[in-house]
Amino acid sequence: AQSVTQLGSHVSVSEGALVLLRCNYSSSVPPYLFWYVQYPNQGLQLLLKYTSAATLVKGINGFEAEFKKSETSFHLTKPSAHMSDAAEYFCAVSVTNQAGTALIFGKGTTLSVSS
Amino acid sequence: DTAVSQTPKYLVTQMGNDKSIKCEQNLGHDTMYWYKQDSKKFLKIMFSYNNKELIINETVPNRFSPKSPDKAHLNLHINSLELGDSAVYFCASSQGTGGIYEQYFGPGTRLTVT
Repeated sequence: AQSVTQLGSHVSVSEGALVLLRCNYSSSVPPYLFWYVQYPNQGLQLLLKYTSAATLVKGINGFEAEFKKSETSFHLTKPSAHMSDAAEYFCAVSVTNQAGTALIFGKGTTLSVSS
Repeated sequence: DTAVSQTPKYLVTQMGNDKSIKCEQNLGHDTMYWYKQDSKKFLKIMFSYNNKELIINETVPNRFSPKSPDKAHLNLHINSLELGDSAVYFCASSQGTGGIYEQYFGPGTRLTVT
């Protein structure tokens, strides 16, 4: 069964530091992978998605992620953290079967940014 | 204009009551979903509709009944509410049913059952 695992439930960085949020996937077929961000008391916003067109995917707000098949990873990075990046981040894999398509989410990583 | 909207944003009710949550999308998408986010922020699919037809129905109690009057709307009715139903419920939509399509989420409805 397809799944994603987010390593680290909580990541703390200083403003201006590199952000690295880890996600590993499990899939027997080429996966479609997504990163979403959830700000407090808000819905989920798509940061970026991997659909096999390019292994390095650039998203909104300066985030990017690299698909590495050999490591079954899709880690999210940002060169320089801003205070406004503090939020919950979810990695997800899209699963399709005869019944339809659904996103299977990781447990989320809380990003804290200190000044 | 909000792409995916939900009403109400907050819902506080007592055990045993029946309540509904409404969702509307103005993106022209064919597929809509309901997800549940529990107190630990874990998100799980509940239902999926494509062109008003139910295509995914995860292991959800029969007390939960989705209804799609048209492609732009997907409502969730919950009967005989229980304490364990307290959660944030998210509606989402996508252009199609394939895995390549990203899903757009509404702002969520926080349901509290007392």
